[in-house]
Amino acid sequence: EDKVVQSPLSLVVHEGDTVTLNCSYEVTNFRSLLWYKQEKKAPTFLFMLTSSGIEKKSGRLSSILDKKELFSILNITATQTGDSAVYLCAVEGRGQNFVFGPGTRLSVLP
Amino acid sequence: DVKVTQSSRYLVKRTGEKVFLECVQDMDHENMFWYRQDPGLGLRLIYFSYDVKMKEKGDIPEGYSVSREKKERFSLILESASTNQTSMYLCASSLYPGGVNMETQYFGPGTRLLVL
Repeated sequence: EDKVVQSPLSLVVHEGDTVTLNCSYEVTNFRSLLWYKQEKKAPTFLFMLTSSGIEKKSGRLSSILDKKELFSILNITATQTGDSAVYLCAVEGRGQNFVFGPGTRLSVLP
Repeated sequence: DVKVTQSSRYLVKRTGEKVFLECVQDMDHENMFWYRQDPGLGLRLIYFSYDVKMKEKGDIPEGYSVSREKKERFSLILESASTNQTSMYLCASSLYPGGVNMETQYFGPGTRLLVL
């Protein structure tokens, strides 16, 4: 059965800290891995990763995929209180089906 | 600006009622999805549709049905609502074909359904 695991499930840091969120997966016919940020609304898209070893960056956020070891990390540097959210990892497998992980709840304290 | 809208933000229904959740996208996307989100379980796919009048079961289709009569509209139907269907329901759409050419799924704002 396809599965996506995220760790940690929750994390509390202070502003300015750097955090690394982990996502590992077991998915049939892997196509892509996506990271989403969810606040009090539907999740918003952050990154889509399809190739190993190629880092994607957007401001203070970056992400990389390792297709051999079947995992991805999401890094956030110089965290701000506005980064507080649930970060979802999703993997696209067979039939365009997406499997989501349970999310990592990040709380950034001032 | 892409847009996925859902007919209701909040719904309260009674056990046994028939419930319709509507989703409309204005991006001419082929694919549309219905998810439910519950604490600790992440997003779980209920049904998806890759074309008008086409539908596929997701991971948890039991107790639900869907309708895709027009490309822009994907409806989720609870034939007889039960309390375990209390949840946040999220609709999404994506451009066909999928895979590496698909940058993202666009999500609606969600409908929070409470079944009493």
